[in-house]
Amino acid sequence: DAKTTQPPSMDCAEGRAANLPCNHSTISGNEYVYWYRQIHSQGPQYIIHGLKNNETNEMASLIITEDRKSSTLILPHATLRDTAVYYCIATGNQFYFGTGTSLTVIP
Amino acid sequence: EPEVTQTPSHQVTQMGQEVILRCVPISNHLYFYWYRQILGQKVEFLVSFYNNEISEKSEIFDDQFSVERPDGSNFTLKIRSTKLEDSAMYFCASSVIRVPYGYTFGSGTRLTVV
Repeated sequence: DAKTTQPPSMDCAEGRAANLPCNHSTISGNEYVYWYRQIHSQGPQYIIHGLKNNETNEMASLIITEDRKSSTLILPHATLRDTAVYYCIATGNQFYFGTGTSLTVIP
Repeated sequence: EPEVTQTPSHQVTQMGQEVILRCVPISNHLYFYWYRQILGQKVEFLVSFYNNEISEKSEIFDDQFSVERPDGSNFTLKIRSTKLEDSAMYFCASSVIRVPYGYTFGSGTRLTVV
């Protein structure tokens, strides 16, 4: 599994887009990029994943750079309920969680 | 939307006692996992289970831990002789296949060892 690096914390104003970066410079060709979030002490919640193309679903968009060494999770219109710890995981096998980015959405 | 169900939501046990944490994975899923999260720390992988056997386990998953799928629906984690440091949230997860689909996590069991 590729090591990932995320900023420890970020703030975002409610209603604005939240852009969460992730560096995975050692990612290998068969490893996907996954994003999960954890609200309080709830179970991690799947958000989105991708291999090399940009992806969008009802929750978020995932932008992966052409060299696949980094990606950005975009929450287009952040709400207070999006306050959570966001985890970026690059893996072709087992899921290992790092420390993630603690996103605080500010009213 | 299908869910992974965990029971109980909170369990308090005395040090040295055995506990069994229960999980009902999503019905068509084939892979099952246990993770734990000590308060304020990372979510840590414990074990993965496929085709009725352990497929991978971490260093945390020592001889005091065991997993079982006793019937077609339940997936259990047993801790034989609990220690204070076993106090944590324990999350069960399941997946159809490992990659590229993600895991679905349950809401967790908070285990408190006193």
